[in-house]
Amino acid sequence: AQSVTQLGSHVSVSEGALVLLRCNYSSSVPPYLFWYVQYPNQGLQLLLKYTTGATLVKGINGFEAEFKKSETSFHLTKPSAHMSDAAEYFCAVSRITGTASKLTFGTGTRLQVTL
Amino acid sequence: DAGVTQSPTHLIKTRGQQVTLRCSPISGHKSVSWYQQVLGQGPQFIFQYYEKEERGRGNFPDRFSARQFPNYSSELNVNALLLGDSALYLCASSRGANTEAFFGQGTRLTVV
Repeated sequence: AQSVTQLGSHVSVSEGALVLLRCNYSSSVPPYLFWYVQYPNQGLQLLLKYTTGATLVKGINGFEAEFKKSETSFHLTKPSAHMSDAAEYFCAVSRITGTASKLTFGTGTRLQVTL
Repeated sequence: DAGVTQSPTHLIKTRGQQVTLRCSPISGHKSVSWYQQVLGQGPQFIFQYYEKEERGRGNFPDRFSARQFPNYSSELNVNALLLGDSALYLCASSRGANTEAFFGQGTRLTVV
């Protein structure tokens, strides 16, 4: 079985400060890992994904994440927070069988950005 | 191109009733998945359909069912609604069975 743990249900940073959202995964097979963002009353938007290859993944809106197999982590970072980054962020792991895929999500981290 | 579209956006139902939610995938996408997101939690996988066949089912009771039509649109049906079924229901489409998923805006279901 696969699972994802997001450490910290709420994170607050000042505008311009570093954003760090933590995600640890558990998987018996090489994982596909994702970060999604959800704005209020909206669906999920893909920020970035790791499948294979380079372990540092760059996504949209200046976000990036690094896959660290030894630490089973896939933390999301952004050097400088902007007010528009305030949202709910979900880490997810995918189980792909060749004929199907299923995303298993963490419980989410709400990012608050203050002036 | 239009994204994933879901209808209705909101609805209110009474306990015991039945509800049907609809999803139109992105043009060219043949797979549709359904997720339930209860307030304050991450989405939970309900079903995946690809080429009109069920390819995966999550840990949900038989009150939940779905189908995919020849045009790849999909319906999620929930019978005998419970208060606990109140949630945001998300539909995601993907080109193949195991490719990147794109999510719709969701249907907010409230059971009273």
